Amino acid sequence: AQTVTQSQPEMSVQEAETVTLSCTYDTSESDYYLFWYKQPPSRQMILVIRQEAYKQQNATENRFSVNFQKAAKSFSLKISDSQLGDAAMYFCAYRSWGSSNTGKLIFGQGTTLQVKP
Amino acid sequence: DADVTQTPRNRITKTGKRIMLECSQTKGHDRMYWYRQDPGLGLRLIYYSFDVKDINKGEISDGYSVSRQAQAKFSLSLESAIPNQTALYFCATRGPGNQPQHFGDGTRLSIL
Repeated sequence: AQTVTQSQPEMSVQEAETVTLSCTYDTSESDYYLFWYKQPPSRQMILVIRQEAYKQQNATENRFSVNFQKAAKSFSLKISDSQLGDAAMYFCAYRSWGSSNTGKLIFGQGTTLQVKP
Repeated sequence: DADVTQTPRNRITKTGKRIMLECSQTKGHDRMYWYRQDPGLGLRLIYYSFDVKDINKGEISDGYSVSRQAQAKFSLSLESAIPNQTALYFCATRGPGNQPQHFGDGTRLSIL
């Protein structure tokens, strides 16, 4: 069974600075997806970024980028130029590849990010 | 209007009561999911469905049941609520292929 671990329950960053949130996972599969979701106090689940395991290039979405290390089973999220609106809980998630899979997401425990003005 | 709508948004009830959480979607997706969020545990899958005749248990289905009334509607029931079912519940949908899941805004359920 796959597992996802976020070892940082809480992180803080100064506004305009850069912060990296860590995520490791365990799987025996070779093809899969990885995601980062943001959950602000409004409790919506907002997709921040996704990575397909077969792609060597790290995904980037504006100020958000990932460092995907497949051999190390590591998938960290870097937030550049942090803004007050980035304050939220962030979840790392895993999904198996293939048409026969359930499509279910396996989530980490979450990291609460505080942004200081 | 939201693509995935959950009702109620918040609910407080007592131990032993029967509770139904509802989810409806306008995205036309076949796949629907119910997750539960607890502090320090992230989200965990309760049930999922691929169509009205295909219902599957997730990792924490005990104490819960579901009904897929139509492609667009997927309800979660707690037959006899207990305090440790106090949590934030999310419904999600997904289209075919490599599409990501789309989440509702959650139902916060408190059982006294």
